[in-house]
Amino acid sequence: GENVEQHPSTLSVQEGDSAVIKCTYSDSASNYFPWYKQELGKRPQLIIDIRSNVGEKKDQRIAVTLNKTAKHFSLHITETQPEDSAVYFCAASNPVSSARQLTFGSGTQLTVLP
Amino acid sequence: NAGVMQNPRHLVRRRGQEARLRCSPMKGHSHVYWYRQLPEEGLKFMVYLQKENIIDESGMPKERFSAEFPKEGPSILRIQQVVRGDSAAYFCASSPAGDGYTFGSGTRLTVV
Repeated sequence: GENVEQHPSTLSVQEGDSAVIKCTYSDSASNYFPWYKQELGKRPQLIIDIRSNVGEKKDQRIAVTLNKTAKHFSLHITETQPEDSAVYFCAASNPVSSARQLTFGSGTQLTVLP
Repeated sequence: NAGVMQNPRHLVRRRGQEARLRCSPMKGHSHVYWYRQLPEEGLKFMVYLQKENIIDESGMPKERFSAEFPKEGPSILRIQQVVRGDSAAYFCASSPAGDGYTFGSGTRLTVV
């Protein structure tokens, strides 16, 4: 089955700096890669996703890059703000398979210092 | 659209009791997923259901856990004879076609 590894587990940045979180996956058939943000005690919320037919996707201060050959994808947050502080999870899935489940990374606790 | 509705938000059970967690998917969504999140860990897949069918339960413990998604009503995750190790947040997600999940607010189960 799929295995997703996420690094780093914790990340502290100064407000205004950029933050980068990296994930690798094992199943070459995976072709859907969402990122979720989870604030303490709340639900995971989808912030951006990418499919394997593109290498990069951007939405305002958030961007995701995908390298299918190397089987890794990254989340980039620019001009970080204190409200970006949360746990971020990457995930991978193969929507073509019957299961369509998401396999999540272990999470990155991002702290943006004012 | 009310989103994915889970209840109860918090549930306390004594060891040996049964826990029933309910999930109503978003309107128009026919795919329901249950995930478990242990404290300070990621989300682990448990089961994937469509109406009246369990599609994949490979992440669900073989004993004490069961799930259903009846033709009418919410999806139910049932845990029999709960133990301390079952304490976790249980999240339900729904999607219209297998990706683009929307998660509910979760049920936080505490076994005492």
